Amino acid sequence: AQSVTQLDSQVPVFEEAPVELRCNYSSSVSVYLFWYVQYPNQGLQLLLKYLSGSTLVKGINGFEAEFNKSQTSFHLRKPSVHISDTAEYFCAVIHYGGSQGNLIFGKGTKLSVKP
Amino acid sequence: DAGITQSPRHKVTETGTPVTLRCHQTENHRYMYWYRQDPGHGLRLIHYSYGVKDTDKGEVSDGYSVSRSKTEDFLLTLESATSSQTSVYFCAIEEGMGTEAFFGQGTRLTVV
Repeated sequence: AQSVTQLDSQVPVFEEAPVELRCNYSSSVSVYLFWYVQYPNQGLQLLLKYLSGSTLVKGINGFEAEFNKSQTSFHLRKPSVHISDTAEYFCAVIHYGGSQGNLIFGKGTKLSVKP
Repeated sequence: DAGITQSPRHKVTETGTPVTLRCHQTENHRYMYWYRQDPGHGLRLIHYSYGVKDTDKGEVSDGYSVSRSKTEDFLLTLESATSSQTSVYFCAIEEGMGTEAFFGQGTRLTVV
């Protein structure tokens, strides 16, 4: 079965510190990978995605992620976080190979940025 | 913002009653999804659609059915609501596989 594992349910960090949110996926076929962010009482919005090409993907708000096929990972990083980055972050995957796929999410990582 | 609306936004219903949630889009996107979000579980896929009258089950489809008779509408029905279906439900739309999925604002459903 397709799955996405986010290794940390909560990540506390101080403002201006770097952060890495970890994501691993299970797959024996090709994948598209995504990171979404959810601010309190809102829906999800896309941070970045990997479809093909360069394994380092840059997204909005200074976030980036690196696709590592051998380790089946897609970790999200930011060199210096702000209070406003406090939110829940979701890694997601589409396994494709047929005519349609579906978007599967991890359980989320709550990032808490402290002053 | 992508044109996607969910209705109702909040609903309280009694155990055993049927409930229908509506997702409406104005983007003419092919794919539509229903998820439920629960603490500690993230978003779990209930059902999805890849075209009019083309739907398939997700990982938590028991107790739910869907219909898509028009491109713009994707309905989620709880046949007989149970307390375990108390959750926040999100609809998402996607133009094609690998494109950005846009999410609605969510429907908070409470089954008492």
